[in-house]
Amino acid sequence: DADVTQTPRNRITKTGKRIMLECSQTKGHDRMYWYRQDPGLGLRLIYYSFDVKDINKGEISDGYSVSRQAQAKFSLSLESAIPNQTALYFCATASADTQYFGPGTRLTVL
Amino acid sequence: RKEVEQDPGPFNVPEGATVAFNCTYSNSASQSFFWYRQDCRKEPKLLMSVYSSGNEDGRFTAQLNRASQYISLLIRDSKLSDSATYLCVVLSIGGKLIFGQGTELSVKP
Repeated sequence: DADVTQTPRNRITKTGKRIMLECSQTKGHDRMYWYRQDPGLGLRLIYYSFDVKDINKGEISDGYSVSRQAQAKFSLSLESAIPNQTALYFCATASADTQYFGPGTRLTVL
Repeated sequence: RKEVEQDPGPFNVPEGATVAFNCTYSNSASQSFFWYRQDCRKEPKLLMSVYSSGNEDGRFTAQLNRASQYISLLIRDSKLSDSATYLCVVLSIGGKLIFGQGTELSVKP
């Protein structure tokens, strides 16, 4: 079984819809992250959490929100999706300096 | 200026070639440095950490120059399976990893 899982793996939605991307981990790590990846821009940090009661904005948090329901779960929401949120989204956990990524969610907003 | 900058490539090299990637970072207070590998449409995976003294892992050698704020990755005897995008990553104060945009490598037969 994968240590970091993401659901859904692919999603096509329409402008204005609310979308939730879910991430679960079995590594027991406190630190969890959400990134988006766009061609030519690399990975950009959306939100991160160092424990259940700690939520921090990354460099591109506008239009997104997160929920850390438990140590093992970190969800990313798009309250009202827009086309420029079409991207590949990665969840990651961290132990010390090493991050472990989930397989990614490919989101398309029409 | 981006915090971490890489030449996006692509680098097209024949099998057996030696290829070097460079990366610069802007924050002199950055603490740790890494190279990640990402295959097409897959998640990034840690390739190696980068230490001030330089470190080697098989065909891969990483170097750090703090004075110049410069990181490098050398791949010797390139294999077809080395084709991927290589991401330069810097750990900033506060525990955030900052990613470069990646350098694409294509190794041809």
